[in-house]
Amino acid sequence: DGGITQSPKYLFRKEGQNVTLSCEQNLNHDAMYWYRQDPGQGLRLIYYSQIVNDFQKGDIAEGYSVSREKKESFPLTVTSAQKNPTAFYLCASRTVNTDTQYFGPGTRLTVL
Amino acid sequence: DAKTTQPPSMDCAEGRAANLPCNHSTISGNEYVYWYRQIHSQGPQYIIHGLKNNETNEMASLIITEDRKSSTLILPHATLRDTAVYYCIVLNAGNMLTFGGGTRLMVKP
Repeated sequence: DGGITQSPKYLFRKEGQNVTLSCEQNLNHDAMYWYRQDPGQGLRLIYYSQIVNDFQKGDIAEGYSVSREKKESFPLTVTSAQKNPTAFYLCASRTVNTDTQYFGPGTRLTVL
Repeated sequence: DAKTTQPPSMDCAEGRAANLPCNHSTISGNEYVYWYRQIHSQGPQYIIHGLKNNETNEMASLIITEDRKSSTLILPHATLRDTAVYYCIVLNAGNMLTFGGGTRLMVKP
């Protein structure tokens, strides 16, 4: 069953803690993306990666970090430096031959 | 990338066609029109995209005007499960998707 998986679906964290969100894809896509969505808003790009071991900052990278050690995986760490981390986080991927991105189901992070 | 303008909300009766408009008057010749939708608390779902010609797939049809300044997404027989926020995005090849406010479509019985 091909697709993009994100885990967990819901995540709670105490203020000041780092937390890592998982994103895995078995579509053999080269590029992967992380977006943040706040209630009633569109998506904002956090980080993206075009190939393994390389990634670039998006529009709102402060307080976040990523790694791309494997083609299939692009985990996002929300650090304690992120002032307003409560949001819906979406991962996406695409092949290099098309601009069409396919999205995972999302992780809703709540900071208590 | 060109900006898009969509109505914030629309209603449609179940079983009828839903026609969602999008204005992109500053679109350039090599920019594509993409449509995604997002059902509440889920990831966005790709629907369709086009450059100049009208496009149709199993989900929807995309009608792009001859001057490419506007387009319409058509869901031919809307169902309750089509209730979602629909995003129209204009994208230059190799650039990033930019999601605006979209149109909140409510399909009513």
